[in-house]
Amino acid sequence: QKEVEQDPGPLSVPEGAIVSLNCTYSNSAFQYFMWYRQYSRKGPELLMYTYSSGNKEDGRFTAQVDKSSKYISLFIRDSQPSDSATYLCAMSAIGGSNYKLTFGKGTLLTVNP
Amino acid sequence: AAGVIQSPRHLIKEKRETATLKCYPIPRHDTVYWYQQGPGQDPQFLISFYEKMQSDKGSIPDRFSAQQFSDYHSELNMSSLELGDSALYFCASSLEEPGNSLGEQYFGPGTRLTVT
Repeated sequence: QKEVEQDPGPLSVPEGAIVSLNCTYSNSAFQYFMWYRQYSRKGPELLMYTYSSGNKEDGRFTAQVDKSSKYISLFIRDSQPSDSATYLCAMSAIGGSNYKLTFGKGTLLTVNP
Repeated sequence: AAGVIQSPRHLIKEKRETATLKCYPIPRHDTVYWYQQGPGQDPQFLISFYEKMQSDKGSIPDRFSAQQFSDYHSELNMSSLELGDSALYFCASSLEEPGNSLGEQYFGPGTRLTVT
């Protein structure tokens, strides 16, 4: 079983829809949670970064972390065609020099005009 | 704002050849991470350096080696290339304070390595 599980989709929604993306994880040492957006053949772009449980909002994006359930979410409001990309969740433990990211497989999102 | 620079962007090599990938982190970032992303796969951590010292090692083959230089740029050296080494190789950089909060990792555009 992978440490981080993410439904690869694909997910197709109409423009303006609310999108919900999710990941579950098994390693209770994970303390930092990130969402990256990756366009085809490009490097991952950091969207959201949260520490421990709670919510964080940035414009149309909201990240939620529920450590008790080992479950994280990314919500995209008023989705736009330009949001079409692969969304990767990533996590890291804390302590020492071990800050490597463990990624989910990514969810391919298409927002249709 | 300056981003992570990787070179070359594309590289074609034959089996058993060697390849060197370069990464130039964001100015003032002291930590570099290397990740490998196979087709349709998530990025897999290879190795990281903090202040020019190796800080962590993941699933990196013995045929690969890497280092971080005094100017903080890093090079990933790959020898005896195999077909399975064909992938996107990403470098990420961050400003770290080990033992404290995690620095945000910013990724470069990647080097696409094709082994024929």
